[in-house]
Amino acid sequence: DAGVTQSPTHLIKTRGQQVTLRCSPKSGHDTVSWYQQALGQGPQFIFQYYEEEERQRGNFPDRFSGHQFPNYSSELNVNALLLGDSALYLCASSHRDRGTEAFFGQGTRLTVV
Amino acid sequence: AQSVTQPDIHITVSEGASLELRCNYSYGATPYLFWYVQSPGQGLQLLLKYFSGDTLVQGIKGFEAEFKRSQSSFNLRKPSVHWSDAAEYFCAVFPHYGGSQGNLIFGKGTKLSVKP
Repeated sequence: DAGVTQSPTHLIKTRGQQVTLRCSPKSGHDTVSWYQQALGQGPQFIFQYYEEEERQRGNFPDRFSGHQFPNYSSELNVNALLLGDSALYLCASSHRDRGTEAFFGQGTRLTVV
Repeated sequence: AQSVTQPDIHITVSEGASLELRCNYSYGATPYLFWYVQSPGQGLQLLLKYFSGDTLVQGIKGFEAEFKRSQSSFNLRKPSVHWSDAAEYFCAVFPHYGGSQGNLIFGKGTKLSVKP
């Protein structure tokens, strides 16, 4: 079992560009959550996807959007990047009936210059 | 609103010494509580969790935590720290509203350094 995998590992983008981050959940999991971890901060919840729909959303602007595919993998898209979007983006997967048992990926380090 | 406070930003302990990391939460009902560890450049690994029952919970790597409802606290402890424990530690609450759906709310973390 490969666990939760995220790609790419690192990414550098220019302010104003768009970025797509990818996440493959742990085998048997159908729910994917995304978190943003700014430097020196704890992770903050962005949104959660289940059955290809956004089920919950944190306090993030509409520039942050996502998608879940039929195989449960997910993408996080960020438009019009700001310097403040520089962070570690973590994906967590879980089963719909066991939301407390979340497994985290290694994260994608996004740097906006 | 639910929140988690970790009062200590950075703690340094000597190898072999005991450790206690503090965590206070704000939540209207009995929370689900977690401690995670993050090594540099890594994701989060679950150390232990509390849902109900015995207020002293055991986790991996020799860690334990005690839930104290009266103090709204869930402090993490280890009797003897090893150099490999140097990492960042996050306390989190899962507002479950009686179900299993929800998301984690994290504190800002405590960075642990270990002196040889």
